[in-house]
Amino acid sequence: EAGVTQSPTHLIKTRGQQATLRCSPISGHTSVYWYQQALGLGLQFLLWYDEGEERNRGNFPPRFSGRQFPNYSSELNVNALELEDSALYLCASSLAGTDTQYFGPGTRLTVL
Amino acid sequence: GQQLNQSPQSMFIQEGEDVSMNCTSSSIFNTWLWYKQDPGEGPVLLIALYKAGELTSNGRLTAQFGITRKDSFLNISASIPSDVGIYFCAGRITQGGSEKLVFGKGTKLTVNP
Repeated sequence: EAGVTQSPTHLIKTRGQQATLRCSPISGHTSVYWYQQALGLGLQFLLWYDEGEERNRGNFPPRFSGRQFPNYSSELNVNALELEDSALYLCASSLAGTDTQYFGPGTRLTVL
Repeated sequence: GQQLNQSPQSMFIQEGEDVSMNCTSSSIFNTWLWYKQDPGEGPVLLIALYKAGELTSNGRLTAQFGITRKDSFLNISASIPSDVGIYFCAGRITQGGSEKLVFGKGTKLTVNP
């Protein structure tokens, strides 16, 4: 069974640009979570999508947004990129109503 | 907001030694999860705990859900070089009808052969 997949693996942008990160959950999983992992800060919760709707949002500015598609894959969009947005962005998925989240390998975003 | 205090921040041990790390919080959690992250990869679930007092093992790993529901520990026995990585605790909390998973900042484990 395929795990959570994320693309691209690496993304290099400049300040002010927009970044789009993609995630495909494990087959059968309807919930998708996005986390930011900046150096030394652990995992910071960004967004939770379930059945196409945003269920919860972490303490991040509105320029961090996303969506979940009918096939449960998800996109994370970061507008007006800032240098401190450089981080590993992790996507996780879970079955509806369960706690266990399975993580993808992440997208390394570098903002120059 | 909710915060998990994970300690120690890093550990340097010799192969064969036992390891213990823990997470504490002032908040009550419904679930505790322990993950391991290898360099360049996403975290992988090691152990999930669902009840206060629950003690669960996975090979050389043992984790417990604290009685107060505010803490959890992870023990690794007889460490081996492949245990190297960053270990994260995570607690699930439900508030106001919404839930989220809060992560500790991680314990970086180095095992010397």
